[in-house]
Amino acid sequence: DVKVTQSSRYLVKRTGEKVFLECVQDMDHENMFWYRQDPGLGLRLIYFSYDVKMKEKGDIPEGYSVSREKKERFSLILESASTNQTSMYLCASLLGGLDYGYTFGSGTRLTVV
Amino acid sequence: AQTVTQSQPEMSVQEAETVTLSCTYDTSENNYYLFWYKQPPSRQMILVIRQEAYKQQNATENRFSVNFQKAAKSFSLKISDSQLGDTAMYFCAFMKHGYGGSQGNLIFGKGTKLSVKP
Repeated sequence: DVKVTQSSRYLVKRTGEKVFLECVQDMDHENMFWYRQDPGLGLRLIYFSYDVKMKEKGDIPEGYSVSREKKERFSLILESASTNQTSMYLCASLLGGLDYGYTFGSGTRLTVV
Repeated sequence: AQTVTQSQPEMSVQEAETVTLSCTYDTSENNYYLFWYKQPPSRQMILVIRQEAYKQQNATENRFSVNFQKAAKSFSLKISDSQLGDTAMYFCAFMKHGYGGSQGNLIFGKGTKLSVKP
């Protein structure tokens, strides 16, 4: 089975800090995604990448950036964390072909104080 | 732009009974995929069932089945013989057909919180 690993399950950071959320997948998936999950809002796409060094903005990219230097790793960066970025962050990897579907990481709950 | 609507924020069902979760979507695409994902308290998103829009037959996975009405843009999930382990958030999601670029993006509804009561 494909595995998507997010490096931290819980994080607490201070306002203004630079925050890195790491995501690694162990298969040769081209597409990777970062979503933010908030109660009552569902999952909203922040950024996605369909190849190394390629990145595209999703629906809510403001305040975030991403890095994809290697195919297996997709990092989400909060340049200057703010309290309104307190949320659950989910990384996903896309399996294509006939067995179409996402594999998700187990999420990082980030609290900015 | 595509949108996905889940009109039931919360639902409950007695163990062993059947429950149906509703989902509607809006798109001008003809080829696409629809999904139901389950997120239990452990937070791990799990794919429950998938439907390709070009297939008229409704998808079934054990106790889970869908009622896919393409013309009505409706995609409901039926859970039969509900079990305590079915307690979770359920998300309906849409993806345009294709691979690469933005065609692989999932668009989610806001979710339905299902509680299965003993």
